Amino acid sequence: DTAVSQTPKYLVTQMGNDKSIKCEQNLGHDTMYWYKQDSKKFLKIMFSYNNKELIINETVPNRFSPKSPDKAHLNLHINSLELGDSAVYFCASSLSSGNTIYFGEGSWLTVV
Amino acid sequence: EDQVTQSPEALRLQEGESSSLNCSYTVSGLRGLFWYRQDPGKGPEFLFTLYSAGEEKEKERLKATLTKKESFLHITAPKPEDSATYLCAVQARRNNDMRFGAGTRLTVKP
Repeated sequence: DTAVSQTPKYLVTQMGNDKSIKCEQNLGHDTMYWYKQDSKKFLKIMFSYNNKELIINETVPNRFSPKSPDKAHLNLHINSLELGDSAVYFCASSLSSGNTIYFGEGSWLTVV
Repeated sequence: EDQVTQSPEALRLQEGESSSLNCSYTVSGLRGLFWYRQDPGKGPEFLFTLYSAGEEKEKERLKATLTKKESFLHITAPKPEDSATYLCAVQARRNNDMRFGAGTRLTVKP
């Protein structure tokens, strides 16, 4: 069983479109995250949610919005996609913030 | 600002040739230092967490050590299946934010 699963794995879309990436974890964790890995392979945190409350929000454009229907899911919505949004997006989870973070397999987003 | 620098960027070893990867860091109040392995097309896979200077952790051919300024990931007698990118990350106590380095891309030739 996959611990942190995200879909889709690959997404190619045009500039200006709105898209979503879904994430689910079955580890019983209470904190979930979205990370972005750019072309230089740096992993940077975008959001984290703990018990449905946003606790970290780095300087991410407001075109990006996380949605958490429950503590096992954290979806990422992106509006008005731009070329610079092309990257790999990783969902992750941990048992409370401050503990080991476990990552999903990644979603490759290409904006054309 | 917290910083993590990994070296070298890339490392090529022959099978059985031991070596070390370096992770230098600056952080205000270290909560933990993490090592992850990332295979191409995959998410980072957790390896170790180190919390205080002098601490060491081992797993198969890997051994991680920690000082107040850096961490080393020692690879003893590596095998081709150890080929991957190894990521280091530090977590600050003040906000639990995790900052990653750019990684070391390890290739082990048979």
